[in-house]
Amino acid sequence: AQRVTQPEKLLSVFKGAPVELKCNYSYSGSPELFWYVQYSRQRLQLLLRHISRESIKGFTADLNKGETSFHLKKPFAQEEDSAMYYCALKENYGGATNKLIFGTGTLLAVQP
Amino acid sequence: EPEVTQTPSHQVTQMGQEVILRCVPISNHLYFYWYRQILGQKVEFLVSFYNNEISEKSEIFDDQFSVERPDGSNFTLKIRSTKLEDSAMYFCASSATGLGYTFGSGTRLTVV
Repeated sequence: AQRVTQPEKLLSVFKGAPVELKCNYSYSGSPELFWYVQYSRQRLQLLLRHISRESIKGFTADLNKGETSFHLKKPFAQEEDSAMYYCALKENYGGATNKLIFGTGTLLAVQP
Repeated sequence: EPEVTQTPSHQVTQMGQEVILRCVPISNHLYFYWYRQILGQKVEFLVSFYNNEISEKSEIFDDQFSVERPDGSNFTLKIRSTKLEDSAMYFCASSATGLGYTFGSGTRLTVV
């Protein structure tokens, strides 16, 4: 079954330290992977998607099909990065309305 | 930047009552979705809607749930007879192409 696993509920780092938020997925086809961020009391916002291979707010994520991972990385954490981060998988069987399957999320807390 | 608007932000209802959660998607978007997040749990897909009909729904979306696009701008989720376990944050999302979603800020539904 399709599944997204984020093993860490909470990741606490100091400002300036590197960050890696882990995401592993289980999907038999070719998935599309996303990272969404939710700042306190705000909406889910798209941070990254693997097909665009972009860097947003210093974050990057590389799809590793061999390890079925899509870890989110940032070399130097900022306090404003503190938020809930969700990894999500979109099934890719040709339907435009394919649903997103979310992980349980990781709360990133950046300490001053 | 265009936004998906959801109203109300918080709704309290008695068990057994009907509730309607409202969403105004981005105006040129064609694909619409409802997700929910029970407190402390992952974001879960409920239903997707395209071309004036449901394109996919989850096991959660049983006969108590319905969606409607009553006019050119609103997209509603109705729960006919609410149960305590329906208490959750409900997110609406829309997409122009089905590739990237824009989420609303959510409606917190509390069933008492």
